[in-house]
Amino acid sequence: DSGVTQTPKHLITATGQRVTLRCSPRSGDLSVYWYQQSLDQGLQFLIQYYNGEERAKGNILERFSAQQFPDLHSELNLSSLELGDSALYFCASSAGTGRVRGYTFGSGTRLTVV
Amino acid sequence: AQSVTQPDIHITVSEGASLELRCNYSYGATPYLFWYVQSPGQGLQLLLKYFSGDTLVQGIKGFEAEFKRSQSSFNLRKPSVHWSDAAEYFCAVGARGGTNFGNEKLTFGTGTRLTIIP
Repeated sequence: DSGVTQTPKHLITATGQRVTLRCSPRSGDLSVYWYQQSLDQGLQFLIQYYNGEERAKGNILERFSAQQFPDLHSELNLSSLELGDSALYFCASSAGTGRVRGYTFGSGTRLTVV
Repeated sequence: AQSVTQPDIHITVSEGASLELRCNYSYGATPYLFWYVQSPGQGLQLLLKYFSGDTLVQGIKGFEAEFKRSQSSFNLRKPSVHWSDAAEYFCAVGARGGTNFGNEKLTFGTGTRLTIIP
């Protein structure tokens, strides 16, 4: 157990639907990062939140959004889903002190869009 | 901005053979360097990291990596691989300097998939 919790582990939904992925960071970590991993695109950085505020944005589609709540858990919302959105979605966390010490990853949510 | 190159997309080695996975980085100073491993269907697990000091770092599962400033490399090695080492391996680089809270972004390479044959 890495300390980063992602739910659900698996999600199957239809095209056009909307889903929410949840991440609880490791205790004490203030930064949360979301990644998408697919076979053809590899590990893609989507977005980072630090202490409730958006800090960095990567290759995140406009149909996707995220937020970090006061208790520091984060949610990634995916809407108008397409077949190509099928992927593993990872959350990672770090301390947020500004000193790079690496990330702790969750075990991911596997999203299948049918 | 920093970048990472893992030139080998896929490597196959025999069980018991030695292993070296290549990682080259681009950064203006000495970066923070990491290797992560991802088993099928799992999240990424930290294998080892380099911050400063001894350029040969030891990690978990018998892995080691050597930082070579002159070659901008941080190659991962293992003297004898086991079938359980079959996984995807990611090199990552982080920028030094500052205490800008929340500014701890890592840049990941595209990964190297390791296959072990009996």
